[in-house]
Amino acid sequence: DAKTTQPPSMDCAEGRAANLPCNHSTISGNEYVYWYRQIHSQGPQYIIHGLKNNETNEMASLIITEDRKSSTLILPHATLRDTAVYYCIPHSGGGADGLTFGKGTHLIIQP
Amino acid sequence: NAGVTQTPKFRVLKTGQSMTLLCAQDMNHEYMYWYRQDPGMGLRLIHYSVGEGTTAKGEVPDGYNVSRLKKQNFLLGLESAAPSQTSVYFCASSYPPSGKLDEQFFGPGTRLTVL
Repeated sequence: DAKTTQPPSMDCAEGRAANLPCNHSTISGNEYVYWYRQIHSQGPQYIIHGLKNNETNEMASLIITEDRKSSTLILPHATLRDTAVYYCIPHSGGGADGLTFGKGTHLIIQP
Repeated sequence: NAGVTQTPKFRVLKTGQSMTLLCAQDMNHEYMYWYRQDPGMGLRLIHYSVGEGTTAKGEVPDGYNVSRLKKQNFLLGLESAAPSQTSVYFCASSYPPSGKLDEQFFGPGTRLTVL
């Protein structure tokens, strides 16, 4: 599995865009980049995933660099409820392999 | 839909006792997973199942057994609990359309303490 590097913690002001980086320089050509988050004491929640093109859904946007060695998750208008640990997870998307969670980034939204 | 539910929510065991954690999903998902999460760490895969009657080992299977007798249920058993198994246990399920895994749905977790 590809290794990932994420900052352990980040702060963001409420209402501003939160940009969470992830390095995944050893990602394979067939691996997607998945993002999940875990709000305190709850089960992880899927946010978004992408292969090489930028993606957007109702929760967030995902920007993947052209060489696919890094990506950025963008929460456009962060709210206090976005305070959580965010995980960047390369995964093939096929088969039944579980997700490999690192330590993630603890995003704290400040009022 | 209830999604993924886990029973019980909390449990305290003494070393050597046994117990079974139940995971149930009502989304007709084929794949189901058991993870554990230790303090300050990410989740680690214990066992998983690709369908009724099938199970496979994940990253940290030792000390656990699983069964998938019904498609909607995935059971995790601890035959002889040890303090090292104190953790939060999460179940998840997914159904990959066209063979692609888009999203895993997680349950609320079971907090297990082994004294």
